[in-house]
Amino acid sequence: EAQVTQNPRYLITVTGKKLTVTCSQNMNHEYMSWYRQDPGLGLRQIYYSMNVEVTDKGDVPEGYKVSRKEKRNFPLILESPSPNQTSLYFCASSLTGLRLTNTGELFFGEGSRLTVL
Amino acid sequence: DQQVKQNSPSLSVQEGRISILNCDYTNSMFDYFLWYKKYPAEGPTFLISISSIKDKNEDGRFTVFLNKSAKHLSLHIVPSQPGDSAVYFCAATFRGGNKLVFGAGTILRVKS
Repeated sequence: EAQVTQNPRYLITVTGKKLTVTCSQNMNHEYMSWYRQDPGLGLRQIYYSMNVEVTDKGDVPEGYKVSRKEKRNFPLILESPSPNQTSLYFCASSLTGLRLTNTGELFFGEGSRLTVL
Repeated sequence: DQQVKQNSPSLSVQEGRISILNCDYTNSMFDYFLWYKKYPAEGPTFLISISSIKDKNEDGRFTVFLNKSAKHLSLHIVPSQPGDSAVYFCAATFRGGNKLVFGAGTILRVKS
């Protein structure tokens, strides 16, 4: 089954304790991205990757890091989490970039709810 | 500065009637628009899209209308069904863009 898998789905942590949210897709997609969803703000892009070893900042990259060493994986790293990073995080992928598929659609994971105390 | 705005946080509709969800955008560069549906505890799923060269796109019960001069698009669901109850996100992008810009979402409740 084609899917984007995120782990963990739920996490409560404390300020300053490094954590990684993993993301893996089995569709051989080149493009991957991380979004965070906050009430009243919708989904905002954190980082994206056009292909292996190619990553770039989105709209809200502060406090986050990413890496793309393999095509299927795109982990989100919070080196020193703070309470303002409490949010619902989504990883998404697309075949060849947002405008090159026939619909431009993104495939989303089920989300990771992170609470930083 | 939200470039994509969904001004109605929620909408309640009777089963069988039409649901109309609205979206406004400010960036004239946007030329491709999408709607996503999201159920609780799931990720958003693609619903329907429209290119700026069109003013209407239809897929079954779902129709998206685009009014470029007004920078406005709407999603019509006819007839509405209880299973349509979800959060609907409007999103936009432009050629060469590397992200979707999302609105805040509208919660649709279809009452049976």
